[in-house]
Amino acid sequence: AQTVTQSQPEMSVQEAETVTLSCTYDTSENNYYLFWYKQPPSRQMILVIRQEAYKQQNATENRFSVNFQKAAKSFSLKISDSQLGDTAMYFCAFDRSGNTPLVFGKGTRLSVIA
Amino acid sequence: SAVISQKPSRDICQRGTSLTIQCQVDSQVTMMFWYRQQPGQSLTLIATANQGSEATYESGFVIDKFPISRPNLTFSTLTVSNMSPEDSSIYLCSVEWPGPSTDTQYFGPGTRLTVL
Repeated sequence: AQTVTQSQPEMSVQEAETVTLSCTYDTSENNYYLFWYKQPPSRQMILVIRQEAYKQQNATENRFSVNFQKAAKSFSLKISDSQLGDTAMYFCAFDRSGNTPLVFGKGTRLSVIA
Repeated sequence: SAVISQKPSRDICQRGTSLTIQCQVDSQVTMMFWYRQQPGQSLTLIATANQGSEATYESGFVIDKFPISRPNLTFSTLTVSNMSPEDSSIYLCSVEWPGPSTDTQYFGPGTRLTVL
């Protein structure tokens, strides 16, 4: 069974600074998908970024980028130019293939401080 | 991406009663999932719901406690039966949506349930 580990329960960052959230996973699959979701206090789960394991290039979405290390089974999220609206719980998630449920990490609570 | 709505957005219920949560999608989707998020915790899958077949439940969740219906490709319901305070959670539905290179799950806004 796949597992996802987020080792940082809480983090904080000053506004406009950069922060990196860690995620490691365990799987015997070779092809899979990884996601970062954001859950603000409104509780809506919002997709931040996704990465296909077969792609060597790290995914980027505006201020959000990942460092995907397949051999190390590591999938960290970097948030640049942090904004107050980035304050939320961030969940790393693993998808074995299409049409399968996600396996979530325990989450990292990020606070952006003015 | 799909637009997903859930009803109710929140409810406060008495123990021993049941609540049915609705999940509506603006497009037809094959796979729908129901998750539970207990206070301060991550998401745990309750079941996978395919249209036209019985839902598939994860270990620790049973149909008698969490019956699910999936009458068509845009709608599903989850019932939380004979509720106890331990059922107080956020319940989220999600759908698998095709993308250019991978399918992605999108989530409804969640239903916050408090059981007294």
